[in-house]
Amino acid sequence: GAVVSQHPSRVICKSGTSVKIECRSLDFQATTMFWYRQFPKKSLMLMATSNEGSKATYEQGVEKDKFLINHASLTLSTLTVTSAHPEDSSFYICSARGGGGKNTEAFFGQGTRLTVV
Amino acid sequence: QKEVEQNSGPLSVPEGAIASLNCTYSDRGSQSFFWYRQYSGKSPELIMSIYSNGDKEDGRFTAQLNKASQYVSLLIRDSQPSDSATYLCAAGMNSGYSTLTFGKGTMLLVSP
Repeated sequence: GAVVSQHPSRVICKSGTSVKIECRSLDFQATTMFWYRQFPKKSLMLMATSNEGSKATYEQGVEKDKFLINHASLTLSTLTVTSAHPEDSSFYICSARGGGGKNTEAFFGQGTRLTVV
Repeated sequence: QKEVEQNSGPLSVPEGAIASLNCTYSDRGSQSFFWYRQYSGKSPELIMSIYSNGDKEDGRFTAQLNKASQYVSLLIRDSQPSDSATYLCAAGMNSGYSTLTFGKGTMLLVSP
């Protein structure tokens, strides 16, 4: 399957600082990228959907000023957690989906485990 | 609201048996269906995609789709302890621009 690379895999930051997570589709052009968070033993929660060159669409209850998403190219999307607090500690996962035709499968990055201390 | 329903499990099967995982979806317009495997602490991994009614086989895995019943299933033959994971079912439009709706997942436990 296609490869989606997410970096970093783990990050520990101090409360009040910002953290940037990168998501790259390595061997296909991702029309759409999705950002999820997942708490232990819980299901995936979609945070936002982003298309290259346009503003992200956030799910209800997700603060767009706190979780900044940039999708500058067809292969790169970033999620910045601004002014992070301990309650933002979670597993963040990106997913990328191709533009159409046969390749409309969605592939996940490895995930980023964020711990805010 | 679009929903994908799965039994949370755990589904326990002995090694070598067939594991059967089921999923129903509410949006009759859904065109593409996926099964993902997620190990604890890891991100989901795509194992099967299916787009038309019937069966699709890939190794030990068979996905089955019945659009009339809005039902998707995954069969795992010769189950191995390494298959123990949470299996997520997802449904959506066959477009790279659209969001997939995920079920909450079924935990599968394969005992040696």
